[in-house]
Amino acid sequence: KNQVEQSPQSLIILEGKNCTLQCNYTVSPFSNLRWYKQDTGRGPVSLTIMTFSENTKSNGRYTATLDADTKQSSLHITASQLSDSASYICVVKSGGSYIPTFGRGTSLIVHP
Amino acid sequence: SAVISQKPSRDICQRGTSLTIQCQVDSQVTMMFWYRQQPGQSLTLIATANQGSEATYESGFVIDKFPISRPNLTFSTLTVSNMSPEDSSIYLCSVRGSQETQYFGPGTRLLVL
Repeated sequence: KNQVEQSPQSLIILEGKNCTLQCNYTVSPFSNLRWYKQDTGRGPVSLTIMTFSENTKSNGRYTATLDADTKQSSLHITASQLSDSASYICVVKSGGSYIPTFGRGTSLIVHP
Repeated sequence: SAVISQKPSRDICQRGTSLTIQCQVDSQVTMMFWYRQQPGQSLTLIATANQGSEATYESGFVIDKFPISRPNLTFSTLTVSNMSPEDSSIYLCSVRGSQETQYFGPGTRLLVL
């Protein structure tokens, strides 16, 4: 069964600090992995997409890494801002299905 | 990219009643997806709505409970029928763009009393 596990479930950090969110998956065959940001009261918005051959991808202060061998991904947020407070969802697409598998998300709160 | 709007944004309903959620996309799309997001849970696909044919429902979801309409390539509705408190959730409309990027609407927050 395809599964996506995210950790931690929630995280509180101070503004300006860095943080790293984790995603482990068992989706097979692997097609791509995305990180989405979901602000409160909004729908998820794609931050990055990574395919099998990509190890790192950046989008501003967001850097995603992928280790396809260990089936792990991380999302690193640098110099956090109050606007980074949101839920971050890891989504993995299998090559055998048009339906992706969603993680439960990590709720990030950035305090001033 | 695609811009998606949903109505209503939120509602409080009595058990046993039904609510119809509307989804409007700013471009023509073949497939529209309806998701449910329960507190602390991952997004769960309810059904895929194709224009001109019946919706395809995922395991655990049935047409009698979640009837869907897809009258044209830019619009769809999801009805939550005979609601119970367990139906309290966020319901999200989604479409797929280039590179299989999924675009989501802002969601409809439903509370059933």
